[in-house]
Amino acid sequence: DVKVTQSSRYLVKRTGEKVFLECVQDMDHENMFWYRQDPGLGLRLIYFSYDVKMKEKGDIPEGYSVSREKKERFSLILESASTNQTSMYLCASRLTGSPYEQYFGPGTRLTVT
Amino acid sequence: GNSVTQMEGPVTLSEEAFLTINCTYTATGYPSLFWYVQYPGEGLQLLLKATKADDKGSNKGFEATYRKETTSFHLEKGSVQVSDSAVYFCALSQNSGGSNYKLTFGKGTLLTVNP
Repeated sequence: DVKVTQSSRYLVKRTGEKVFLECVQDMDHENMFWYRQDPGLGLRLIYFSYDVKMKEKGDIPEGYSVSREKKERFSLILESASTNQTSMYLCASRLTGSPYEQYFGPGTRLTVT
Repeated sequence: GNSVTQMEGPVTLSEEAFLTINCTYTATGYPSLFWYVQYPGEGLQLLLKATKADDKGSNKGFEATYRKETTSFHLEKGSVQVSDSAVYFCALSQNSGGSNYKLTFGKGTLLTVNP
């Protein structure tokens, strides 16, 4: 079974802090994704990585950056956390090609106070 | 651009009731279609998928048929259980082109099944 793990289930940070969210997958997938999930808005893609050191902006990249130094690990970075970044963050991975589905981690609920 | 519209919830049913959650899409070309489920406190899990017109995806008693003529992929289950209580997301991905990695999601439908 594919396993996608995220470093924290719950996280509380203060405004202005630098925040790192980590995601690891164990199936040698090339593609990895970061989404945020908000009530009434569904899932929105923040960033996507199609291979090591490669990244593309998603629909809402402002205020975020990412890092992919190893194939199995994809990090989401909030350079200076703000209260409007309070959300559920979901990581996913996928084999290159279509129509392979995405496999999701359990999510990190981030609260910025 | 691509979009997915699914019926708004919440949907509340009694155990053993029939379930339909409507999903329609807008896309160029021939997308693949998915239903994901999110149980309380968890990430999303793939429930079923269909990759071409008239395909029927099925899993755990749930079914959905890819209808190109109506651009729909409605989720159905004949007899729901309390354990089916979750949020259900309809999604699509393109099968070709530069954006074939990307999933476009609907906003989700919360289903609550009462005993």
